[in-house]
Amino acid sequence: ETGVTQTPRHLVMGMTNKKSLKCEQHLGHNAMYWYKQSAKKPLELMFVYSLEERVENNSVPSRFSPECPNSSHLFLHLHTLQPEDSALYLCASSLSYSHRSYEQYFGPGTRLTVT
Amino acid sequence: AQSVTQLDSHVSVSEGTPVLLRCNYSSSYSPSLFWYVQHPNKGLQLLLKYTSAATLVKGINGFEAEFKKSETSFHLTKPSAHMSDAAEYFCVSYNQGGKLIFGQGTELSVKP
Repeated sequence: ETGVTQTPRHLVMGMTNKKSLKCEQHLGHNAMYWYKQSAKKPLELMFVYSLEERVENNSVPSRFSPECPNSSHLFLHLHTLQPEDSALYLCASSLSYSHRSYEQYFGPGTRLTVT
Repeated sequence: AQSVTQLDSHVSVSEGTPVLLRCNYSSSYSPSLFWYVQHPNKGLQLLLKYTSAATLVKGINGFEAEFKKSETSFHLTKPSAHMSDAAEYFCVSYNQGGKLIFGQGTELSVKP
């Protein structure tokens, strides 16, 4: 798990709070991803950054706001969340966004609970 | 459209017996396919990948998978299950547009 790290590992927040999730990759990769994993559902791709530019935004509500200040760091800013946003949020990175043989490396995730 | 179907949502085996986790894919071209494992409250870890080289792919922890184009399958196997293999397993296909297509997952239980 040292390749991709995520903080915090657990987060409980009220619906009116503002918080941020952080992801850092130490692999020299050029692409980074945010996924949402809810119970009994397939992983949902939320955002993709390639070379610090957002290349994918899968109809995610505006209460989720990503930021990629450089190729090693990725943030997910959260505000006025809903209880249904409670889930495991996974960050991943890959060497290249568009090359089919480059697998994604995942962080351990942040378990988010919205009360 | 591309899709990945994991045929079993839950598989239970006894320790020391073989493991078979089934995956079928649909794709209009030769796909890249992956198997990932996820232990409770952890991220996904790559077990193995197929990218149009050898059809029998060996991965970590004794797992392997065989790409069968005629059957559009990529089943994951292990000769002898260990208690530490209990986890959720995801079959994944790479989409030409740069996305990963995830199967629904198969939960593997290992009984002593």
